[in-house]
Amino acid sequence: DGGITQSPKYLFRKEGQNVTLSCEQNLNHDAMYWYRQDPGQGLRLIYYSQIVNDFQKGDIAEGYSVSREKKESFPLTVTSAQKNPTAFYLCASTGRDRGMGGAFFGQGTRLTVV
Amino acid sequence: GENVEQHPSTLSVQEGDSAVIKCTYSDSASNYFPWYKQELGKRPQLIIDIRSNVGEKKDQRIAVTLNKTAKHFSLHITETQPEDSAVYFCAAKRDTGRRALTFGSGTRLQVQP
Repeated sequence: DGGITQSPKYLFRKEGQNVTLSCEQNLNHDAMYWYRQDPGQGLRLIYYSQIVNDFQKGDIAEGYSVSREKKESFPLTVTSAQKNPTAFYLCASTGRDRGMGGAFFGQGTRLTVV
Repeated sequence: GENVEQHPSTLSVQEGDSAVIKCTYSDSASNYFPWYKQELGKRPQLIIDIRSNVGEKKDQRIAVTLNKTAKHFSLHITETQPEDSAVYFCAAKRDTGRRALTFGSGTRLQVQP
């Protein structure tokens, strides 16, 4: 069953901790993205990667880091430098089979600072 | 960079009526415009998209129109049903340079039975 999987679904972080959100896809998509969604707001781009071993900052990259060592995986680390990390995090991927790039989203990770 | 503005932020219609959501974009190089539907607590789902070389596209009760000169595009839902109630997002993307979707702020559509 092809798709994009995020884990965990819920994550609790203590002040000062780094946490890593997982995103795995088996769609053979080249491009992957991380978005942050705050209540009642749109999706804001954190980081994106068009190809393995390469990634670019989005609009709100400060306090986050990523890696793209494998085509299937694009983990996001929320560092202690991110002062307001409580949000819904969405990973997405695009491939040539969706034309210009209609993104397919994972089910999201809800991160809460406790 | 690209900036996408979306209106209205909330929209309430009676079942069977039509709903229209409008978006404007700033980057004239954007050439792909998808619309997503997001139900509460769930992932956004692509419902329709349009490329810049097309002015209109329809899929059953849903249509999208694009005015590239004015840099705006709209989502039209006809014969609305209660299950259409959700948050709808527009987005824009270019295929050179920063090739990532920029989203509007969303429209909460409520269809009253």
